[in-house]
Amino acid sequence: DVKVTQSSRYLVKRTGEKVFLECVQDMDHENMFWYRQDPGLGLRLIYFSYDVKMKEKGDIPEGYSVSREKKERFSLILESASTNQTSMYLCASSSPSNQPQHFGDGTRLSIL
Amino acid sequence: GQNIDQPTEMTATEGAIVQINCTYQTSGFNGLFWYQQHAGEAPTFLSYNVLDGLEEKGRFSSFLSRSKGYSYLLLKELQMKDSASYLCAVRSPNDYKLSFGAGTTVTVRA
Repeated sequence: DVKVTQSSRYLVKRTGEKVFLECVQDMDHENMFWYRQDPGLGLRLIYFSYDVKMKEKGDIPEGYSVSREKKERFSLILESASTNQTSMYLCASSSPSNQPQHFGDGTRLSIL
Repeated sequence: GQNIDQPTEMTATEGAIVQINCTYQTSGFNGLFWYQQHAGEAPTFLSYNVLDGLEEKGRFSSFLSRSKGYSYLLLKELQMKDSASYLCAVRSPNDYKLSFGAGTTVTVRA
């Protein structure tokens, strides 16, 4: 089974802090994705990556950056956290084919 | 742009059938996915349609009409464990991005 692991289930940070969310997948997938999920809005794509050191902006990249130094790891960075970034963050991975994306359990991030 | 619509909530009785509709208007199309998400858990893959027609997988079936920009997920013989949110997602051509609808929360009553 594909395993996508996110480093924390719950995280509480303060406004202005730099926040790192980590995601690791064990299936040698080329594609990795970061989403945020908010009630009534569904999943919205923040950033994605097709390969090591490659990144592409999604639909809502403002206030975020990403890092992919190794194929299995994709990090989401909140450079200066703000309260409107309080959300559920989901990481996903997939192979470059018609296969589905596989999701981690999510990190519920609260910015106080 | 991407516009994907699905109902917000549906309620049905155990043992019954529920049909969740999804309509989409997107700038490109390379397949439609359905995911199930229980509260507090990761979305899990249910079905994938890229050609018109019906795909059946046990109690769950999914239908696609590309000319109408329309899909549905059919859940048969509902069980209490089917209470969850169901997400419709359309994949863009060329880049494997998914655009999601807001999700439909299905509540199964005894």
